[in-house]
Amino acid sequence: DIVMTQSPDSLALSLGERATINCKSSQSVFSNKNLLAWYQVKPGQPPKLLIYWASTRESGVPDRFSGSGSGTDFTLTISSLQAEDAAVYYCQQFYDSPSPWTFGQGTKVEIK
Amino acid sequence: EVHLEQSRAEVKRPGAAVKISCKPSGYTFTDFHMHWVQQAPGQGLEWMGLIDPDDGETIYADRFQGRVTITADTSTETVYMELSSLTSEDTAIYFCATGGDCTGGSCFRSHDVYPLRFWGQGTPVAVSS
Repeated sequence: DIVMTQSPDSLALSLGERATINCKSSQSVFSNKNLLAWYQVKPGQPPKLLIYWASTRESGVPDRFSGSGSGTDFTLTISSLQAEDAAVYYCQQFYDSPSPWTFGQGTKVEIK
Repeated sequence: EVHLEQSRAEVKRPGAAVKISCKPSGYTFTDFHMHWVQQAPGQGLEWMGLIDPDDGETIYADRFQGRVTITADTSTETVYMELSSLTSEDTAIYFCATGGDCTGGSCFRSHDVYPLRFWGQGTPVAVSS
């Protein structure tokens, strides 16, 4: 199975600062598109899809969230942190479906 | 609008099995794969497996292989996830989730692969003696 590794495991930033989360896959997840997604998880809520195909923002997601990367290396950027962005963020590969999908271990974002 | 309705919370003894249901609406039942994801306390998201309701084909994560069974009932348009030989480590919230080409309130079968755009509310399962 493809292994997804995120960095850092956690970060604490002030309101308005830029947050950058990295995700590396053990093999390329490109198949016509980069089959890589980002999710936001808050306590007591189901995960929320933010970005898919590495850089396509899901409908309704604020434009301060952006995704980039290709092949095996990807980045989620929050351009200006808001209080409501405190959460755990996960990357996920959905390469060559149907095959086992895998999540990264998660990155916790805290507001200082 | 796509909605996934899951069954209610369960409490089980170690060694027992649990079967959770997920009833989607808002799209053609056989158009999208249904996935199951585990969220254990203090742990990350764990993809468990999927089913293609059109033909019943399943794919399971290695970690759950042999203990998880995902089925789809096309007559009631409901998907089930059964996890057997429960231990305290299976105490978690279990989500069903799906994704597809849905825009403007309508969904379409597509050649593109979509991630998990729509999620159920989650079913808490507690395993305790």
